[in-house]
Amino acid sequence: QVTLRESGPALVKPTQTLTLTCTFSGFSLSTSGMCVSWVRQPPGKALEWLALIDWDDDKYYSTSLKTRLTISKDTSKNQVVLTMTNMDPVDTATYYCARTKWELPELLFDYWGQGTLVTVSS
Amino acid sequence: EIVMTQSPATLSVSPGERATLSCRASQSVSSNLAWYQQKPGQAPRLLIYGASTRATGIPARFSGSGSGTEFTLTISSLQSEDFAVYYCQQYNNWPPEYTFGPGTKVDIK
Repeated sequence: QVTLRESGPALVKPTQTLTLTCTFSGFSLSTSGMCVSWVRQPPGKALEWLALIDWDDDKYYSTSLKTRLTISKDTSKNQVVLTMTNMDPVDTATYYCARTKWELPELLFDYWGQGTLVTVSS
Repeated sequence: EIVMTQSPATLSVSPGERATLSCRASQSVSSNLAWYQQKPGQAPRLLIYGASTRATGIPARFSGSGSGTEFTLTISSLQSEDFAVYYCQQYNNWPPEYTFGPGTKVDIK
């Protein structure tokens, strides 16, 4: 059974750095083809893909946010961490982590966490 | 960046009727297109990948078609649990830039 759970602060101040942790079970991030992505959704708005880390520790970022994002993994703990620097009120959103699996040529975002709402406010 | 657009923004449908949702990419994404369903307060749920392959456990009333820049999600007979927002997503880029569309809300007529 695959599960993912996001954790982190519910409230951050402008200019602070956000650190979110995705703790997962039911798969291994050391298995070929396995990845974890982060996706966010501002209240009432659409989904936005942020970053992906794969089984080989390759990391990919949204072009518009790449200077602010860092994704990393701890395979032994089954965790993926996303940091976002210089937070702004426009970054207020629900942040999701999702298992992302290559079944070439397809890429499946097939399991998602419940999401964690992060509000940026002073 | 590949921009995804969806139409209509809102689709009002009666239970039992057919719903047809459209998604367009600003450039070809081949068949690297997925559809998701999202209900209020819930995470997205993968419905379709590869433009037309249903994900595990997805009912047959959901079908996807298209390739290149034009895609369609069809729900053959709306059930009460199908009223939700539907997003398309392309995953054609390399390096990755997996853009989503703005969504189509399917509500009760």
